[in-house]
Amino acid sequence: DQQVKQNSPSLSVQEGRISILNCDYTNSMFDYFLWYKKYPAEGPTFLISISSIKDKNEDGRFTVFLNKSAKHLSLHIVPSQPGDSAVYFCAATIRYGGATNKLIFGTGTLLAVQP
Amino acid sequence: SAVISQKPSRDICQRGTSLTIQCQVDSQVTMMFWYRQQPGQSLTLIATANQGSEATYESGFVIDKFPISRPNLTFSTLTVSNMSPEDSSIYLCSVGDAFEAFFGQGTRLTVV
Repeated sequence: DQQVKQNSPSLSVQEGRISILNCDYTNSMFDYFLWYKKYPAEGPTFLISISSIKDKNEDGRFTVFLNKSAKHLSLHIVPSQPGDSAVYFCAATIRYGGATNKLIFGTGTLLAVQP
Repeated sequence: SAVISQKPSRDICQRGTSLTIQCQVDSQVTMMFWYRQQPGQSLTLIATANQGSEATYESGFVIDKFPISRPNLTFSTLTVSNMSPEDSSIYLCSVGDAFEAFFGQGTRLTVV
């Protein structure tokens, strides 16, 4: 059972435009969500996170939106740059009351930003 | 932040053999995590390794197949035993908590 889903395996965007990466989850106990970026031959690096008590968190060009009722979150990158081309993983965890620090990851979306 | 070094970065192994992956962290950490990413799949947690105690394995993973050592607070190893082609994956070491985990560059394993 895939608790965190990224239904778009790939996305292509023109430089300067907005990139929107989507993520859905099924476990209503998740209360903290993260986005990681991964370049080839490198490990994933933390990008941005959001707690379930918020519906938006912004960090520079990156904004994450959370819709708890729909169990959906999205990552917006504005403006997109060629250096943003990477695989983006959505992850979720139970921060409060969780038994472990376990992260549940989606399958990733490959973003290609065209110059 | 933490700097994590994994060795080897990649390997091609014969089925039936074993491979030990090393993970070195530049600071002392309580917990270290081992993940697997099979082709086209998400990162899946294999086990959590605490120094001085047995590793805790996730459902579907067993110690006989993936023995883990944690001899000190900066180092851990994961062994993939009696390998089959289905073990071909990227194996990643991670430290930190779930709110900001740091990953090594991964070990790309191909079993032939």
